[in-house]
Amino acid sequence: RKEVEQDPGPFNVPEGATVAFNCTYSNSASQSFFWYRQDCRKEPKLLMSVYSSGNEDGRFTAQLNRASQYISLLIRDSKLSDSATYLCVVLNYGGSQGNLIFGKGTKLSVKP
Amino acid sequence: DTGVSQDPRHKITKRGQNVTFRCDPISEHNRLYWYRQTLGQGPEFLTYFQNEAQLEKSRLLSDRFSAERPKGSFSTLEIQRTEQGDSAMYLCASSPSLAGIQYFGAGTRLSVL
Repeated sequence: RKEVEQDPGPFNVPEGATVAFNCTYSNSASQSFFWYRQDCRKEPKLLMSVYSSGNEDGRFTAQLNRASQYISLLIRDSKLSDSATYLCVVLNYGGSQGNLIFGKGTKLSVKP
Repeated sequence: DTGVSQDPRHKITKRGQNVTFRCDPISEHNRLYWYRQTLGQGPEFLTYFQNEAQLEKSRLLSDRFSAERPKGSFSTLEIQRTEQGDSAMYLCASSPSLAGIQYFGAGTRLSVL
């Protein structure tokens, strides 16, 4: 089982749609969680951190369920500019460790 | 530009040649990471430094790979005797702390012919 698994995608949605991405992680001791966005042939960029209480940033809402080891990202009122690959990311740290573990990513295409 | 800088952006080499990439992190960040990303996959961890100390290496980092961060500032990643399977995007990231957000450079895209 991969450490971080995401919906395979791709997701093709019209402008204005609401879309949800799901992610599960295997290490129950994982401590920090993020969603990164990656445009084609560009570097990953942090979209938002994910907290147990859930957090919202404009049209984006992230949720974390530690008991189920499940992370989600909801995008409301999709824009053409939201088209990208969304990477679910887990940070395990302790001792000398501190590297990010990425899912394969879910590609989103928002169409006019 | 005060972000993470990587050089070169693209590298084409022939199989068997050695290549070296450079990463300049954000200046206040003492942690520096190298990742590799192939098409259709998320980035995979290779190694990381805290200041000049290399604290962890992935099993992906074969003996042909070596990384240094001699003065705790910039880092280099060298691949010796390149193979076609080394073709990938090599990403560098830096962070101010163990649990801090990692900021990525634009990457070096390596093509081994």
